[in-house]
Amino acid sequence: QSALTQPRSVSGSPGQSVTISCTGSSSDVGGSNYVSWYQQHPGKAPKLIIWDVTKRPSGVPDRFSGSKSGNTASLAISGLQAEDEADYYCCSYAGSYTFVLFGGGTRLTVL
Amino acid sequence: EVQLVESGGGLVQPGGSLRLSCAASGFTFSDYWMHWVRQAPGKGLVWVSRLSTDGSTTMYADSVKGRFTISRDNTKDTLYLEMNSLRADDTAVYYCARGLYGHSVGFDYWGRGALVTVSS
Repeated sequence: QSALTQPRSVSGSPGQSVTISCTGSSSDVGGSNYVSWYQQHPGKAPKLIIWDVTKRPSGVPDRFSGSKSGNTASLAISGLQAEDEADYYCCSYAGSYTFVLFGGGTRLTVL
Repeated sequence: EVQLVESGGGLVQPGGSLRLSCAASGFTFSDYWMHWVRQAPGKGLVWVSRLSTDGSTTMYADSVKGRFTISRDNTKDTLYLEMNSLRADDTAVYYCARGLYGHSVGFDYWGRGALVTVSS
């Protein structure tokens, strides 16, 4: 199976909102409530920011929110801050044979 | 504080072998499924392998099946990845990651990674 599809890059100014999409198929995103999102700063390990489509780990600001419609999951970031500039990856359960698929990653630039 | 610390990375020739270790602390290691995820230079994340709490159930990505072996020692709170018949496209940073607890799928803590370079 191919990786999930994410835009290569998105950008926004401080205080604005952006949305990152993650498109898969009925075999993964569309058929699963196990979609997660990860933030990765350059040279650092990924950090979980959303799990089970909409849940936020403790310590993650409520400026980050997740949703899903059909075969597409989305990560919304409101009130953009300079420290939000990073790569973002979606991940979805893809069945007992494949287990999980990641998206190709989206580079968020805060202008 | 949950910590995962990988070690064992390095430069290896094509066809060679390497064993990665991941030392866990700050949680009850034997309660969690554990995973390896890799990231080739400048590329995205790719799941590699997972292992059940007691080490009895394993799963591998097709790209490493038959060449990599995941294991754990719950007495030492350590996860391992034995990598054989290494190829150039195995070059990546290998992350150890803790699986989400309970009936969910995802990775809530990650190590800083170990770089594996396969080159002659």
